[in-house]
Amino acid sequence: AQTVTQSQPEMSVQEAETVTLSCTYDTSESDYYLFWYKQPPSRQMILVIRQEAYKQQNATENRFSVNFQKAAKSFSLKISDSQLGDAAMYFCAYRSAGGNSGYALNFGKGTSLLVTP
Amino acid sequence: DVKVTQSSRYLVKRTGEKVFLECVQDMDHENMFWYRQDPGLGLRLIYFSYDVKMKEKGDIPEGYSVSREKKERFSLILESASTNQTSMYLCASTVSGTGRSRVGQYFGPGTRLTVT
Repeated sequence: AQTVTQSQPEMSVQEAETVTLSCTYDTSESDYYLFWYKQPPSRQMILVIRQEAYKQQNATENRFSVNFQKAAKSFSLKISDSQLGDAAMYFCAYRSAGGNSGYALNFGKGTSLLVTP
Repeated sequence: DVKVTQSSRYLVKRTGEKVFLECVQDMDHENMFWYRQDPGLGLRLIYFSYDVKMKEKGDIPEGYSVSREKKERFSLILESASTNQTSMYLCASTVSGTGRSRVGQYFGPGTRLTVT
């Protein structure tokens, strides 16, 4: 099974600053999807950004962008101009492109992001 | 918008009780999932279903079973609840098809289950 590693259990950033959350994964597959999910305190898990492995261009969604390094099996999330509402648990997730896994996600253990005024 | 709902936000049960957690999605998704979330462990897959009456074991199926009698509903069953099943349970759904499912999974709000 593919493993996803988030090496930073906690991170802190000041409002308006930039922070990068790290994620590495282990796989022998060539085609897959990578996701970052956000889980605010006591609130629902929502998708932040996704990346298809066959695309070389890094995905971007407003203040959120990724640095996808396929050879290094690295998928970091950069949050620019951090806001208080960005405070949450962030999960990196992997999904095989094939249907055998049933579209299930493999999650990392999460990084808790604290945003200070 | 896709909506995934779970029957309870908080649930307290006694050891040995049979527990049902229900999940409903309103977007005609083929695939539904049950995850367990524990601090420091992330989310772990318990079971998933890719069609009505079909189910597959995930990484930690022991002590759980599931039921999917209708496409929109996926139930998680704890036959005899134990204290080590105290956790947050998250339901999710997604469409089939490589292209369409690239959007990822949609999650319910979670059920925090306490077994005493």
